Amino acid sequence: DQQVKQNSPSLSVQEGRISILNCDYTNSMFDYFLWYKKYPAEGPTFLISISSIKDKNEDGRFTVFLNKSAKHLSLHIVPSQPGDSAVYFCAASARSSNTGKLIFGQGTTLQVKP
Amino acid sequence: KAGVTQTPRYLIKTRGQQVTLSCSPISGHRSVSWYQQTPGQGLQFLFEYFSETQRNKGNFPGRFSGRQFSNSRSEMNVSTLELGDSALYLCASSPAAGVFHNEQFFGPGTRLTVL
Repeated sequence: DQQVKQNSPSLSVQEGRISILNCDYTNSMFDYFLWYKKYPAEGPTFLISISSIKDKNEDGRFTVFLNKSAKHLSLHIVPSQPGDSAVYFCAASARSSNTGKLIFGQGTTLQVKP
Repeated sequence: KAGVTQTPRYLIKTRGQQVTLSCSPISGHRSVSWYQQTPGQGLQFLFEYFSETQRNKGNFPGRFSGRQFSNSRSEMNVSTLELGDSALYLCASSPAAGVFHNEQFFGPGTRLTVL
């Protein structure tokens, strides 16, 4: 049972344009969501997070939107740069459970073309 | 500060063998979590250790086990290897258990290939 889903395995955008990566979840107990970025031969690195009490969080070129009623979140990257080309994972947790366990999606490979 | 280190980085084993992977967390970090990454499945949680105690376990068979030492270093062991165990095994460390996940840092992983 995939509780966190990233339905697009890959995305290709032109440099300077917006990249939108999507993620859906099924477990209503999730109250904290994160995006990680992963380059080949490296571990995932934390990008941005959002608590369920918010619907938007911004950090520079990265914005995460959360729609709790639809159980959907998205990551917007504006403007996209070639260095953003990587695999992006969304992840969810129930912080109230006081555990380090994260539930990850399958990942979306983003390619930003110069 | 040195990051999370995992050894070995690459490993080739045959079916039926067992394997031990090692993770050294960031200095001062006491919590270690393990994940398995396979194509199409993303990262799947294996287990979490804090102060030498397993706090949480994912849905993996008993062939997968782990432990944490008093210096917070952790090992995971897979016995009776199967072809499907071929994956990237990632370790993540954080200062304490259940902290904000933006304080969880991943190592580069160990690539295990089972032939």
